Amino acid sequence: GAVVSQHPSRVICKSGTSVKIECRSLDFQATTMFWYRQFPKKSLMLMATSNEGSKATYEQGVEKDKFLINHASLTLSTLTVTSAHPEDSSFYICSGSTGTGDAYEQYFGPGTRLTVT
Amino acid sequence: DAKTTQPPSMDCAEGRAANLPCNHSTISGNEYVYWYRQIHSQGPQYIIHGLKNNETNEMASLIITEDRKSSTLILPHATLRDTAVYYCIVRVAGAQKLVFGQGTRLTINP
Repeated sequence: GAVVSQHPSRVICKSGTSVKIECRSLDFQATTMFWYRQFPKKSLMLMATSNEGSKATYEQGVEKDKFLINHASLTLSTLTVTSAHPEDSSFYICSGSTGTGDAYEQYFGPGTRLTVT
Repeated sequence: DAKTTQPPSMDCAEGRAANLPCNHSTISGNEYVYWYRQIHSQGPQYIIHGLKNNETNEMASLIITEDRKSSTLILPHATLRDTAVYYCIVRVAGAQKLVFGQGTRLTINP
């Protein structure tokens, strides 16, 4: 399958600071990229969907001013957690999709573990 | 999107076939069934997907009932490395996002 990378894999930051997470599709052009959040022992929760050059579409309950998403190209999306607080500590996972119909594929990155102290 | 129901956990002996069920009784005709798995602290890994017909690849087989209201993922010869949470997801053709349920925690025992 195709490869999606995330950077950093782990980050610890102080409360009130902002953190940027990068998501790259390494060997394919992702028509759409997605950001998920996962708390311990819970399932993945979709936060937002983004298309290159467009504003992201956020899921209900996700604050767009707190979780800034920039989709600069077909291979790069970034998630910035602004003014992070301990409750934002989580495992953040991105994915990129390509194709339509039966050829639709979505590949996930390895995740970024954010700890806010 | 159609909701899926999976058992929260299952055990299987190493070397045996692991059969993971998924109920999607409200599935529509244009909705695909996708299976992903997530090994601890990693991103989800694509396994297989199908619409109506049974599918097989190098990782697994997907058996979809004729009425499409349920499916079974089969790992033919489970190994310890197959221990993971397995997610069954239904996606509308034309829709982009995948919505994850709670999945099945599969434990392969030696």
